[in-house]
Amino acid sequence: AQKVTQAQTEISVVEKEDVTLDCVYETRDTTYYLFWYKQPPSGELVFLIRRNSFDEQNEISGRYSWNFQKSTSSFNFTITASQVVDSAVYFCALSDKGGGGTSYGKLTFGQGTILTVHP
Amino acid sequence: KAGVTQTPRYLIKTRGQQVTLSCSPISGHRSVSWYQQTPGQGLQFLFEYFSETQRNKGNFPGRFSGRQFSNSRSEMNVSTLELGDSALYLCASSTNREGYAFFGQGTRLTVV
Repeated sequence: AQKVTQAQTEISVVEKEDVTLDCVYETRDTTYYLFWYKQPPSGELVFLIRRNSFDEQNEISGRYSWNFQKSTSSFNFTITASQVVDSAVYFCALSDKGGGGTSYGKLTFGQGTILTVHP
Repeated sequence: KAGVTQTPRYLIKTRGQQVTLSCSPISGHRSVSWYQQTPGQGLQFLFEYFSETQRNKGNFPGRFSGRQFSNSRSEMNVSTLELGDSALYLCASSTNREGYAFFGQGTRLTVV
């Protein structure tokens, strides 16, 4: 069975601070996909980043960066120079892209981390 | 392009009743999944439909069911509602092309 753990329940920072959200996962699949989603108060989950298990290159996209380490089963997410609009609940998720690789229809989510960015 | 649309946005039902929620996926997406979000259990996978067939099912009782139509629109039904069914129900659609699942804004169900 797949499992995702986000140990940080809540994080509070002041604007312009960097913040890292931790995620640890468990899976028996050799090919899998990791995601970070953001959930603002409106409720909709907004996709942020995706990483494939077979690609351990870490990247930066604007103020977002991620550190994927297969050896420790971790997929951490960093927001640089945080802003008040970054305040939301952040979810790490895992998918094996089942069904013949045609969709990402079954996601296993972590419990979420509430990020509050103060002005 | 239009996103994932869920209707209604809010519902209040009485214990013992049944409820049907609707989800219209992004055009061209054949996979539709449903999730339940509660403060205690977090986000939990209910089921996935692909081309009108249930492809995956989460660990929920048989009171929770769904279906998908030929135009990929999906409905989920909960019968004999319990207080614990109060939750935000999220629908997502996906396809291989974009590389991730798109979510709707959800239906907030309150059972009284």
